[in-house]
Amino acid sequence: GESVGLHLPTLSVQEGDNSIINCAYSNSASDYFIWYKQESGKGPQFIIDIRSNMDKRQGQRVTVLLNKTVKHLSLQIAATQPGDSAVYFCAENTGGFKTIFGAGTRLFVKA
Amino acid sequence: EAQVTQNPRYLITVTGKKLTVTCSQNMNHEYMSWYRQDPGLGLRQIYYSMNVEVTDKGDVPEGYKVSRKEKRNFPLILESPSPNQTSLYFCASSLRQARNEQFFGPGTRLTVL
Repeated sequence: GESVGLHLPTLSVQEGDNSIINCAYSNSASDYFIWYKQESGKGPQFIIDIRSNMDKRQGQRVTVLLNKTVKHLSLQIAATQPGDSAVYFCAENTGGFKTIFGAGTRLFVKA
Repeated sequence: EAQVTQNPRYLITVTGKKLTVTCSQNMNHEYMSWYRQDPGLGLRQIYYSMNVEVTDKGDVPEGYKVSRKEKRNFPLILESPSPNQTSLYFCASSLRQARNEQFFGPGTRLTVL
């Protein structure tokens, strides 16, 4: 069935380094892929999305890369800060208004 | 302040006792959705609504009901809760034309004994 998964459940990076969070998906028909950030005790917060016909999209300090050949999605965070510590979810819109989330990756930022 | 609110934030109940979790948004969003979050499983969509009186099932709708009589409200109803519905529940909303950018509420932690 449809699934969105992650390569690593946790990621630890040094403050100031770049972070790369990876995600694998299985539904080739999805039209959008999305990244959300969830801080402890809060609901998820939208970060960035990318349409399925694009390879790369940049935001403020974040870049999302989409490789449709291997069904892989990644979120790159530049100059990681302590405030970036959170759980990051990839998600996909499978058409219409249905959204499927991955299991999440916890990012730890070491000072 | 633009926000999604949920009530209650915490609830402990017993098997079979009907309950409702309310969700309200003040952003005039057409789209609203309910998710449950369980450890290791991420968020799973329960139900969603594209507009007033229009709802559809997500991936895990069994044991839940919803209604959308007003644009701002989207209550989640558990007619006969069971322990496997113990979870953290999130309501979300978005503009129809920006459905990727969902705004989430603070969550409701439900425990069914």
